Amino acid sequence: AQSVAQPEDQVNVAEGNPLTVKCTYSVSGNPYLFWYVQYPNRGLQFLLKYITGDNLVKGSYGFEAEFNKSQTSFHLKKPSALVSDSALYFCAVRDTDQAGTALIFGKGTTLSVSS
Amino acid sequence: DSGVTQTPKHLITATGQRVTLRCSPRSGDLSVYWYQQSLDQGLQFLIQYYNGEERAKGNILERFSAQQFPDLHSELNLSSLELGDSALYFCASSVRDSFTDTQYFGPGTRLTVL
Repeated sequence: AQSVAQPEDQVNVAEGNPLTVKCTYSVSGNPYLFWYVQYPNRGLQFLLKYITGDNLVKGSYGFEAEFNKSQTSFHLKKPSALVSDSALYFCAVRDTDQAGTALIFGKGTTLSVSS
Repeated sequence: DSGVTQTPKHLITATGQRVTLRCSPRSGDLSVYWYQQSLDQGLQFLIQYYNGEERAKGNILERFSAQQFPDLHSELNLSSLELGDSALYFCASSVRDSFTDTQYFGPGTRLTVL
C-alpha cells in the first residue's frame, strides 16, 4: 500500500533561520508528491508538487522541496523562515494503487516560527 | 482563495440526524473529491466524482453518500449521524482525472454532532 510519513509532529525554528519539514514516501510506481499548508480555520493551500524532472521544486511563498529517489524523501524547505509561516503542513502522495486520483496525506507537521 | 466554495461553513446537529454538505468546484474543473479531517484519523479520502460519475471510493461509510450534478457541483450526504462523525469535511477539485493535476481545496465545513 502506498503511504507517506511525516516523522515530526512539530518543528520549531527562529525567524530568519532556514526551515525543513520532513516527508518520506512509499509507492509502488512513479511518485506524484505534493505539499499543502493549512492555517487555523482555513482550508488546505497548495504549495508545490513533484511530478517528474528537476529534483528541486520551487513553489509558493518562497518554499521549495527536494525530491530524493534513493532516500524516498520529499522534504519541504525555506531559506529564511517568517513568523507568518507558522501553520500545519501536509505532505501527500497520489494513490496510484486504487481507481481514481485521490491523495494520501501524512499526519501533518506543525511549524512554529518564533520572533 | 482557491475558487472552490463550500456551504455551510459550520453545521451543528444531533445524533441520528441527516445533513447535506455542498461544494462548488473551480470553474472548468471536472473532478470533485471529498475528504474528512479529524483529530484521530487525520485527512482521509472519502469519494471522488468525475464529470458526474462516481470515480473512486475511499474510507466512506455506508451512511454517507455523494453525488455530482450536471452543473458539476457536488453534495455529500451524511445520515444517521454519530458523535464520531464530528469533523472538518473538505471538498477539492481538479481539472481532470489525472495523477499530475493539482487538487484545490475549499475552506471546509465543520460538522459538530451533539
